[in-house]
Amino acid sequence: QVQLQESGPGLVKPSGTLSLACAVAGESVSSNYWWSWVRQPPGRGLECIGQILHTGSTNYNPSLKSRVTISVDKSKNQFSLNLSSVTAADTAVYYCARNFDTWGQGTMVTVSS
Amino acid sequence: QTVVTQEPSLTVSPGGTVTLTCASSTGAVTSGYYPNWFQQKPGQAPRALIHNTNNKYSWTPARFSGSLLGGKAALTLSGVQPEDEAEYYCLLNCGGPWVFGGGTKLTVL
Repeated sequence: QVQLQESGPGLVKPSGTLSLACAVAGESVSSNYWWSWVRQPPGRGLECIGQILHTGSTNYNPSLKSRVTISVDKSKNQFSLNLSSVTAADTAVYYCARNFDTWGQGTMVTVSS
Repeated sequence: QTVVTQEPSLTVSPGGTVTLTCASSTGAVTSGYYPNWFQQKPGQAPRALIHNTNNKYSWTPARFSGSLLGGKAALTLSGVQPEDEAEYYCLLNCGGPWVFGGGTKLTVL
């Protein structure tokens, strides 16, 4: 059974870069799935950040595209999210998911000085 | 970017039936939008219920069903249980990017 676990700093300074990793257990990131990042600001709805296929093909939310990079690390069997130039509006619970059918538990990231 | 709209809130009695809908600002929702539905309870990650309009997962209770209805994607709950009280989100593929609806808060009362 596949399991996903997000990890990374819980606090990021404004204008800095938010970096998260999603460790995948029970499945290879080289498998033919879309690996996704989704976020949820406190008290608000879900927002899709983007996805990556094992081939490296990506799909990003147009409103975030200029600041987002999603990559796969096959050696560590994980995929990562980098979000640059963050502001308080990027404060949210960040989830990773496989094909949207299996989700990590989420990790809270606060942007504050 | 496409805006996906859901009812903000709905209330249903235990044992009743309720339909949640999901509309796209670009026009009628078709199977080509690959509608997905998720359930989220407070403090929990979303749980997938339906994919590709009407396909259930192995864990999806039989009382949940997906369809297309009047140009929208729809999620119908038949024989609602108290544990179905939650926030429900739809997700559409809008020609590349995936876009979530704003969510429907379902109250079972």
